[in-house]
Amino acid sequence: EIVLTQSPATLSLSPGERATLSCRASQSISSKLAWYQQRPGQAPRLVIYDASNRATGIPARFSGSGSEADFTLTISSLEPEDFAVYFCQQRLGWPLTFGGGTKVEIK
Amino acid sequence: EEQLLESGGGLVRPGGSLRLSCAGSGLTLSSFVMSWVRQAPGKGLEWIATISGAGGTAFYADSLKGRFTISRGSDGNIVFLQMNSLRADDTAVYYCARVQTWDYFNLWGQGTLVTVSS
Repeated sequence: EIVLTQSPATLSLSPGERATLSCRASQSISSKLAWYQQRPGQAPRLVIYDASNRATGIPARFSGSGSEADFTLTISSLEPEDFAVYFCQQRLGWPLTFGGGTKVEIK
Repeated sequence: EEQLLESGGGLVRPGGSLRLSCAGSGLTLSSFVMSWVRQAPGKGLEWIATISGAGGTAFYADSLKGRFTISRGSDGNIVFLQMNSLRADDTAVYYCARVQTWDYFNLWGQGTLVTVSS
């Protein structure tokens, strides 16, 4: 099973600041990584797939990078609606696995 | 608008069974690979199972194989999750999700809460 480790667990930032979230895989997963946003009380929403492709309707302030085992989600300038929990997920093999999440909270 | 609607959650005693349903609105589920994902209270996401569009192929999390079964309804627009021998640690919100080319979950339902307790 491929283990995904996300850091930090919590990121405290102010609106307008840049957020940088990390996801590290226990082995190389090429670019088979997605990021999801989950706001309180809501279902997750796909943000980035294949490491760097924005999903439909996702604003350009969200970007993904990385390959092999190290990945980054960057939010260039935080909007109030971006404060949420973000999960990464790998799709290289079965079972599909998720990281533990990073909470982006208002400082 | 495309939507997924889960139903069938509720309170069940340990050892009991429950069948969850996922219906599509604005889309035909038989055209897509579909999955179930769960989230225990205050915890992260856990993939449960994925089924092909035709229903002939399914993959399961090893820890749940044998107790949980994913299937499709004959009308093509419902996906089921049969859960047997339920335990307290199965308590979670269960989400139905559409899968993008066997890879990623690009549409989620609102979830249905399953509580396993005596």
